[in-house]
Amino acid sequence: NAGVTQTPKFRVLKTGQSMTLLCAQDMNHEYMYWYRQDPGMGLRLIHYSVGEGTTAKGEVPDGYNVSRLKKQNFLLGLESAAPSQTSVYFCASRPNGYGYTFGSGTRLTVV
Amino acid sequence: DQQVKQNSPSLSVQEGRISILNCDYTNSMFDYFLWYKKYPAEGPTFLISISSIKDKNEDGRFTVFLNKSAKHLSLHIVPSQPGDSAVYFCAAGSSGSARQLTFGSGTQLTVLP
Repeated sequence: NAGVTQTPKFRVLKTGQSMTLLCAQDMNHEYMYWYRQDPGMGLRLIHYSVGEGTTAKGEVPDGYNVSRLKKQNFLLGLESAAPSQTSVYFCASRPNGYGYTFGSGTRLTVV
Repeated sequence: DQQVKQNSPSLSVQEGRISILNCDYTNSMFDYFLWYKKYPAEGPTFLISISSIKDKNEDGRFTVFLNKSAKHLSLHIVPSQPGDSAVYFCAAGSSGSARQLTFGSGTQLTVLP
């Protein structure tokens, strides 16, 4: 079982470039989340989705957009990358209940 | 304003001894608490949880204690093993918020052989 798969695992962007991070889950979970992890800050919620076709803002949504066109996929987009978006990004999904399953992360550096 | 706080960035413990990781929260609406463990270059993995109707939950070497009046929870690992060396995140959620989890900043546990 793959669980939650994130692609790519690493990426270096120049300021102003755009990119999309892909999260795919094969557990038929309704809920999906994007978090970023920064030193001393823990994981902070960027956007989340409670089902196919729905998205909502989390704690730190500025500079990011998301889409959930298919139940198994949750895409995180950066339209114009900034150095402040250098971080490790984690996707998670869950069924009913609190049992989050996380992907292995995407390490993004914006120079 | 962090709603979930882990005030100890790091903790070192001798193998075989008890590890105690602490977490404080401020939001009275939180009704479910979890601990996640994270190894380098991997995503966090679920370790143990507790709901607000309990004050203790045990799973093998891991026990979580919840003190609602103090808004404090702790994770006890007994006995500690070198393989327990990882970053531990405390997380909290409430039923009425799409079960989003709010995470603490993490504690790096190092178990010395």
